[in-house]
Amino acid sequence: QSVLTQPSSVSGAPGQRVTISCTGSRSNIGAGYDVHWYQQLPRTAPKLLIFGNTNRPSGVPDRFSGSKSGTSASLAITGLQAEDEADYYCQSYDSSLSGSVFGGGTKLTVL
Amino acid sequence: EVQLVESGGGLVQPGGSLRLSCAASGFSFGNYVMSWVRQAPGKGLEWVSAISGGGGPTYYADSVKGRFTISRDNSKNTLFLQMNTLSAEDTAVYFCAKLLFVWSFFDNWGQGTLVTVSS
Repeated sequence: QSVLTQPSSVSGAPGQRVTISCTGSRSNIGAGYDVHWYQQLPRTAPKLLIFGNTNRPSGVPDRFSGSKSGTSASLAITGLQAEDEADYYCQSYDSSLSGSVFGGGTKLTVL
Repeated sequence: EVQLVESGGGLVQPGGSLRLSCAASGFSFGNYVMSWVRQAPGKGLEWVSAISGGGGPTYYADSVKGRFTISRDNSKNTLFLQMNTLSAEDTAVYFCAKLLFVWSFFDNWGQGTLVTVSS
């Protein structure tokens, strides 16, 4: 059971928009700690996708965007492409656990 | 270019020990917090441990506290994870990752090294 809750899977057709939610609590996201997102392509290491709730590292397409409100955060992907098919993870800090925490991961399928 | 290369994984019996290494290059290693994150087969990511740039404060997940020890050799740009009293639940790919500061995001990751605990 992950501290941050994500849907296990989402899907969308090429060109469509999908969102992935990340729900936390008052000891992590709700306490104001930043949320970060990672993309993990099959059989590869995770890659930073969004940091500080809304910021994209250099090289990440602007099709990817992040938002945060209250005890939740979301990752939106617009103009879905086949290459976006991957697992996506949110991450934050939890003051009760005194450590970094991840969501359980969401598998994105491009139909 | 930042490069993180893990090594030291392998098959170990329950109750055994293993030491992982992560060779870093392409950045001022001693200026950054480093961390270990693991991923059990078919499962999600789990933060394991972190260490400050100077090797001072160290941090551990409850699941490994008292069994794992993180350390670093800044003269050799290398991060370590000493794992003792291993159990099947520790079977995972172990990634080393670089952070901007403690409890921030992981901006660079290694390719991972597989640890299998089995008799």
